[in-house]
Amino acid sequence: KAGVTQTPRYLIKTRGQQVTLSCSPISGHRSVSWYQQTPGQGLQFLFEYFSETQRNKGNFPGRFSGRQFSNSRSEMNVSTLELGDSALYLCASSLVGIGADLHFGNGTRLTVT
Amino acid sequence: TQLLEQSPQFLSIQEGENLTVYCNSSSVFSSLQWYRQEPGEGPVLLVTVVTGGEVKKLKRLTFQFGDARKDSSLHITAAQPGDTGLYLCAGAGGTSYGKLTFGQGTILTVHP
Repeated sequence: KAGVTQTPRYLIKTRGQQVTLSCSPISGHRSVSWYQQTPGQGLQFLFEYFSETQRNKGNFPGRFSGRQFSNSRSEMNVSTLELGDSALYLCASSLVGIGADLHFGNGTRLTVT
Repeated sequence: TQLLEQSPQFLSIQEGENLTVYCNSSSVFSSLQWYRQEPGEGPVLLVTVVTGGEVKKLKRLTFQFGDARKDSSLHITAAQPGDTGLYLCAGAGGTSYGKLTFGQGTILTVHP
Protein backbone atom coordinates (compact mmCIF):
# COMPACT_ATOMS: atom_id res chain seq x y z
CA LYS A 1 0.00 0.00 0.00
CA ALA A 2 1.56 3.33 -1.04
CA GLY A 3 2.11 5.85 1.72
CA VAL A 4 1.30 9.54 1.82
CA THR A 5 3.05 11.40 -0.97
CA GLN A 6 3.92 15.07 -0.78
CA THR A 7 5.26 17.12 -3.66
CA PRO A 8 7.52 18.87 -4.12
CA ARG A 9 10.06 17.84 -1.45
CA TYR A 10 11.88 21.16 -1.58
CA LEU A 11 10.81 24.61 -2.65
CA ILE A 12 12.53 27.99 -2.63
CA LYS A 13 10.37 31.07 -3.05
CA THR A 14 10.77 34.82 -2.69
CA ARG A 15 8.88 37.02 -0.24
CA GLY A 16 5.54 38.11 -1.68
CA GLN A 17 5.14 35.11 -3.96
CA GLN A 18 2.58 32.39 -3.49
CA VAL A 19 3.07 28.64 -3.32
CA THR A 20 0.96 25.50 -3.72
CA LEU A 21 1.86 22.22 -2.04
CA SER A 22 0.32 18.88 -2.90
CA CYS A 23 -0.58 15.84 -0.82
CA SER A 24 -1.80 12.45 -2.03
CA PRO A 25 -3.24 10.42 0.84
CA ILE A 26 -3.24 6.67 1.32
CA SER A 27 -5.86 5.05 -0.86
CA GLY A 28 -9.20 4.95 0.95
CA HIS A 29 -8.32 7.69 3.44
CA ARG A 30 -10.79 10.55 3.33
CA SER A 31 -9.20 12.83 5.91
CA VAL A 32 -6.18 14.97 5.11
CA SER A 33 -4.69 17.35 7.66
CA TRP A 34 -1.84 19.82 7.26
CA TYR A 35 0.83 20.92 9.72
CA GLN A 36 3.65 23.43 9.87
CA GLN A 37 6.87 22.40 11.61
CA THR A 38 9.50 24.94 12.64
CA PRO A 39 12.36 24.72 15.16
CA GLY A 40 10.85 27.51 17.27
CA GLN A 41 7.14 26.60 17.29
CA GLY A 42 7.30 22.85 16.73
CA LEU A 43 4.44 21.15 14.92
CA GLN A 44 1.32 23.25 14.53
CA PHE A 45 -2.03 22.20 13.10
CA LEU A 46 -3.12 24.16 10.03
CA PHE A 47 -6.38 22.57 8.91
CA GLU A 48 -8.17 19.32 8.17
CA TYR A 49 -10.26 18.30 5.20
CA PHE A 50 -12.69 15.42 5.02
CA SER A 51 -14.61 14.52 1.88
CA GLU A 52 -13.76 17.86 0.25
CA THR A 53 -14.93 19.93 3.25
CA GLN A 54 -12.74 21.82 5.68
CA ARG A 55 -13.70 20.47 9.09
CA ASN A 56 -11.26 22.24 11.35
CA LYS A 57 -8.79 25.09 11.19
CA GLY A 58 -5.84 26.07 13.35
CA ASN A 59 -4.72 29.56 14.31
CA PHE A 60 -3.08 30.68 11.09
CA PRO A 61 -3.78 33.79 9.02
CA GLY A 62 -6.03 33.70 5.98
CA ARG A 63 -2.96 33.60 3.71
CA PHE A 64 -2.95 29.87 4.42
CA SER A 65 -5.69 28.01 2.61
CA GLY A 66 -6.36 24.58 1.29
CA ARG A 67 -8.72 22.39 -0.60
CA GLN A 68 -9.46 18.74 -1.15
CA PHE A 69 -10.52 17.10 -4.36
CA SER A 70 -13.00 14.29 -4.95
CA ASN A 71 -10.15 11.75 -5.05
CA SER A 72 -9.09 12.96 -1.56
CA ARG A 73 -5.90 14.57 -2.85
CA SER A 74 -5.31 17.87 -1.12
CA GLU A 75 -3.48 21.08 -1.87
CA MET A 76 -2.33 23.80 0.46
CA ASN A 77 -1.75 27.35 -0.73
CA VAL A 78 0.17 30.12 0.96
CA SER A 79 -0.15 33.57 -0.56
CA THR A 80 2.04 36.65 -0.05
CA LEU A 81 4.87 34.62 1.42
CA GLU A 82 6.77 35.96 4.42
CA LEU A 83 10.21 34.96 5.68
CA GLY A 84 8.54 33.39 8.71
CA ASP A 85 6.67 30.95 6.49
CA SER A 86 9.92 29.02 5.96
CA ALA A 87 9.17 25.63 7.45
CA LEU A 88 8.58 21.95 6.84
CA TYR A 89 4.96 21.47 5.78
CA LEU A 90 3.58 18.05 6.58
CA CYS A 91 0.35 16.45 5.59
CA ALA A 92 -1.23 13.40 7.16
CA SER A 93 -4.06 11.17 6.08
CA SER A 94 -6.38 8.95 8.06
CA LEU A 95 -9.57 6.99 7.60
CA VAL A 96 -11.73 9.12 9.87
CA GLY A 97 -9.73 12.17 11.00
CA ILE A 98 -7.97 13.76 13.96
CA GLY A 99 -7.52 11.42 16.90
CA ALA A 100 -7.43 8.34 14.69
CA ASP A 101 -4.21 6.83 13.33
CA LEU A 102 -2.48 9.50 11.25
CA HIS A 103 -0.06 8.62 8.47
CA PHE A 104 2.33 11.43 7.65
CA GLY A 105 4.11 12.20 4.43
CA ASN A 106 7.77 13.22 4.44
CA GLY A 107 6.90 16.87 4.01
CA THR A 108 7.73 19.78 1.76
CA ARG A 109 10.62 21.95 2.91
CA LEU A 110 9.74 25.55 1.98
CA THR A 111 12.39 28.24 2.13
CA VAL A 112 11.35 31.86 1.67
CA THR A 113 14.13 34.30 0.80
CA THR B 1 -5.82 27.19 23.60
CA GLN B 2 -4.70 23.81 24.82
CA LEU B 3 -0.99 23.39 25.44
CA LEU B 4 1.11 20.28 25.83
CA GLU B 5 4.39 20.66 27.68
CA GLN B 6 6.92 18.00 26.87
CA SER B 7 10.05 17.34 28.89
CA PRO B 8 12.91 17.05 28.68
CA GLN B 9 13.64 18.86 25.43
CA PHE B 10 16.91 17.03 24.93
CA LEU B 11 18.12 13.68 26.19
CA SER B 12 21.53 12.20 25.51
CA ILE B 13 22.16 8.76 26.98
CA GLN B 14 24.28 5.64 26.57
CA GLU B 15 23.03 2.43 25.05
CA GLY B 16 21.36 0.25 27.65
CA GLU B 17 20.09 3.07 29.85
CA ASN B 18 16.42 3.66 30.64
CA LEU B 19 14.60 6.95 30.08
CA THR B 20 11.24 8.60 30.51
CA VAL B 21 9.69 11.43 28.51
CA TYR B 22 6.79 13.39 29.95
CA CYS B 23 3.90 15.17 28.32
CA ASN B 24 1.77 17.41 30.56
CA SER B 25 -1.22 19.66 30.12
CA SER B 26 -3.73 21.52 32.26
CA SER B 27 -6.43 20.45 29.79
CA VAL B 28 -8.18 17.15 29.28
CA PHE B 29 -7.71 15.30 26.01
CA SER B 30 -9.91 12.61 24.51
CA SER B 31 -6.87 10.78 23.24
CA LEU B 32 -3.14 11.17 23.22
CA GLN B 33 -0.69 9.93 20.66
CA TRP B 34 3.07 9.46 20.58
CA TYR B 35 5.08 9.82 17.39
CA ARG B 36 8.72 9.34 16.47
CA GLN B 37 10.28 11.42 13.72
CA GLU B 38 13.64 10.92 12.05
CA PRO B 39 15.50 13.61 10.08
CA GLY B 40 14.04 14.17 6.63
CA GLU B 41 10.94 12.13 7.34
CA GLY B 42 7.45 12.67 8.68
CA PRO B 43 6.38 11.55 12.16
CA VAL B 44 5.45 7.89 12.55
CA LEU B 45 2.69 6.95 14.96
CA LEU B 46 3.84 4.76 17.85
CA VAL B 47 0.70 4.51 19.95
CA THR B 48 -2.70 6.03 20.73
CA VAL B 49 -4.06 5.99 24.30
CA VAL B 50 -7.67 6.89 25.00
CA THR B 51 -8.58 5.68 28.49
CA GLY B 52 -7.44 7.37 31.70
CA GLY B 53 -4.87 5.17 33.44
CA GLU B 54 -4.24 3.15 30.29
CA VAL B 55 -0.84 1.52 29.87
CA LYS B 56 0.35 0.22 26.52
CA LYS B 57 3.55 -1.64 25.77
CA LEU B 58 5.35 -1.80 22.46
CA LYS B 59 8.44 -4.01 22.89
CA ARG B 60 10.80 -1.88 25.05
CA LEU B 61 8.48 1.15 25.01
CA THR B 62 5.81 1.68 27.68
CA PHE B 63 3.19 4.40 27.30
CA GLN B 64 0.90 5.62 30.04
CA PHE B 65 -2.08 7.96 29.97
CA GLY B 66 -2.77 9.78 33.22
CA ASP B 67 -5.93 9.00 35.18
CA ALA B 68 -7.31 12.48 34.47
CA ARG B 69 -6.30 12.29 30.79
CA LYS B 70 -4.16 15.42 31.13
CA ASP B 71 -0.73 13.86 30.98
CA SER B 72 1.19 10.98 29.50
CA SER B 73 4.61 9.39 29.68
CA LEU B 74 6.81 7.33 27.43
CA HIS B 75 9.34 5.02 29.06
CA ILE B 76 12.06 3.28 27.08
CA THR B 77 13.90 0.35 28.65
CA ALA B 78 17.46 -0.48 27.61
CA ALA B 79 17.66 2.19 24.92
CA GLN B 80 19.40 1.37 21.67
CA PRO B 81 21.01 3.65 19.04
CA GLY B 82 18.06 2.86 16.76
CA ASP B 83 15.78 4.65 19.25
CA THR B 84 17.46 7.96 18.38
CA GLY B 85 14.99 10.51 17.05
CA LEU B 86 12.48 13.21 17.86
CA TYR B 87 9.63 12.01 20.06
CA LEU B 88 6.38 13.96 19.91
CA CYS B 89 3.23 13.72 21.95
CA ALA B 90 -0.04 14.97 20.44
CA GLY B 91 -3.41 15.45 22.07
CA ALA B 92 -6.80 15.38 20.37
CA GLY B 93 -10.24 16.36 21.56
CA GLY B 94 -11.08 18.24 24.72
CA THR B 95 -11.70 21.97 24.30
CA SER B 96 -9.89 21.98 20.96
CA TYR B 97 -12.17 19.40 19.42
CA GLY B 98 -11.13 18.39 15.93
CA LYS B 99 -7.64 19.83 16.27
CA LEU B 100 -4.39 18.14 17.14
CA THR B 101 -2.07 19.81 19.65
CA PHE B 102 1.58 18.77 19.64
CA GLY B 103 4.17 19.02 22.36
CA GLN B 104 7.48 20.69 21.50
CA GLY B 105 9.20 17.33 21.19
CA THR B 106 12.08 15.52 22.85
CA ILE B 107 15.26 14.95 20.88
CA LEU B 108 16.70 11.64 22.03
CA THR B 109 20.26 10.60 21.20
CA VAL B 110 21.41 7.13 22.21
CA HIS B 111 25.17 6.65 21.99
CA PRO B 112 26.60 3.19 21.28
